[in-house]
Amino acid sequence: NAGVTQTPKFQVLKTGQSMTLQCAQDMNHNSMYWYRQDPGMGLRLIYYSASEGTTDKGEVPNGYNVSRLNKREFSLRLESAAPSQTSVYFCASSGWAGMNTEAFFGQGTRLTVV
Amino acid sequence: AQSVAQPEDQVNVAEGNPLTVKCTYSVSGNPYLFWYVQYPNRGLQFLLKYITGDNLVKGSYGFEAEFNKSQTSFHLKKPSALVSDSALYFCAVRQAGTALIFGKGTTLSVSS
Repeated sequence: NAGVTQTPKFQVLKTGQSMTLQCAQDMNHNSMYWYRQDPGMGLRLIYYSASEGTTDKGEVPNGYNVSRLNKREFSLRLESAAPSQTSVYFCASSGWAGMNTEAFFGQGTRLTVV
Repeated sequence: AQSVAQPEDQVNVAEGNPLTVKCTYSVSGNPYLFWYVQYPNRGLQFLLKYITGDNLVKGSYGFEAEFNKSQTSFHLKKPSALVSDSALYFCAVRQAGTALIFGKGTTLSVSS
């Protein structure tokens, strides 16, 4: 039972480098999310995809782009990494927004930008 | 815009005592409310949810939560705390057609 799979689990980048965080879910969920977790800040929404082909900005979208490649996959790209993007990133998925089901989370990606 | 507040950064309780972790919310319509738990270096695990119906919701590991519409609250409770309940707890809110928004989290520490 894979659920939500994120890769990589750890990454160190130099300032200005780019990278893509991958996320895939096997629960046939329509909605997918990217959050970042920082101490004392909780989980803040970066981007949200209600369904395949749609994406919406969350609370902290600056410096990030997303691609909903298909129903299963939702990637997060940092075009030019900055130290302020050092964080733990979580991908999540849930049933169609109207069903209001709970979200399932991946194990997270710990990103350090030096 | 919807928002969630968890007024306590940390809650300390002795093992065997009841615990309460507080959550208040703000939405323009009917709320869908959730509690999640996070253990160190792990992802978030779903505990329970309120969608509609009975105001007292029961979830995993003996936890329950009470929805109070007039006070816009959804407090997490457990009658008898365990040391293994020590973790970071998040309250979250969602409206139909929108994303899940989280509070800042409350660290629960249960002492033996």
